[in-house]
Amino acid sequence: AQSVTQPDIHITVSEGASLELRCNYSYGATPYLFWYVQSPGQGLQLLLKYFSGDTLVQGIKGFEAEFKRSQSSFNLRKPSVHWSDAAEYFCAVGGFTGGGNKLTFGTGTQLKVEL
Amino acid sequence: DTAVSQTPKYLVTQMGNDKSIKCEQNLGHDTMYWYKQDSKKFLKIMFSYNNKELIINETVPNRFSPKSPDKAHLNLHINSLELGDSAVYFCASSQMDTLQTQYFGPGTRLLVL
Repeated sequence: AQSVTQPDIHITVSEGASLELRCNYSYGATPYLFWYVQSPGQGLQLLLKYFSGDTLVQGIKGFEAEFKRSQSSFNLRKPSVHWSDAAEYFCAVGGFTGGGNKLTFGTGTQLKVEL
Repeated sequence: DTAVSQTPKYLVTQMGNDKSIKCEQNLGHDTMYWYKQDSKKFLKIMFSYNNKELIINETVPNRFSPKSPDKAHLNLHINSLELGDSAVYFCASSQMDTLQTQYFGPGTRLLVL
C-alpha cells in the first residue's frame, strides 16, 4: 500500500530564510509525487509534481522539490521564504487503484513565518 | 473562472439530518473525487468517479452516497448525519489519461451539532 510521511508537523522560519519540508513515501512502483499548499480556510493548490525525468522539479511561487529514489524522498525547498508562504503543506503520492487515480496524502506540515 | 466549485461553502446542521454537497468542474476532466479532511487536517479519499462510473469507494459508510449526473458534476449526499461527519469535504477532478494531476475545489466545511 502506498503511504506518505511528513515528519515535521510544525516548522517556523524567519522571513527571508531558506526552507526545506521533508516528505518520505512508500510505493511499489515509480511514484507520482505532488506537493500541495493549503492556506487557512482555502482549498488545495498544486505547487509542483514529479512524474519522471529530471529529478529536480520547479513549481509555482519559487518552490522546487527533488526526487531521490534511493531515499524515497521528495523534499520541498524554497531559497527565501515570504510571509505569504505561511500555510499548510501536503505531500502526496499517486497510484492507480482498480483503474482509478488515488492520491494518498501525508499529514501535512504547518509553516509559520516570523517577520 | 472557477475550475472546481463546491456549494455550499459552509454547512451547519443537526445530527440525524440529511444534506447534500454539490461539485462542478469546468476543466473538461473525466474523473472526479471526494476527499474528507478531518480536524487534524488529514486528507483521505472517499470516492472517485470516471465518466459517471464509480471506480473508487474507500470503505465509506453507506450513509454517504455520491451521484454523478454527468462528467462535470459529482454530488455527495449524506444521510443521518453524525457528529463524526464534521469535517471539510473537498471535491477534485483530473483527466484519466494524463498523469493524475488533481485539481481541488475550495472545500465545504460541514459542522454537525
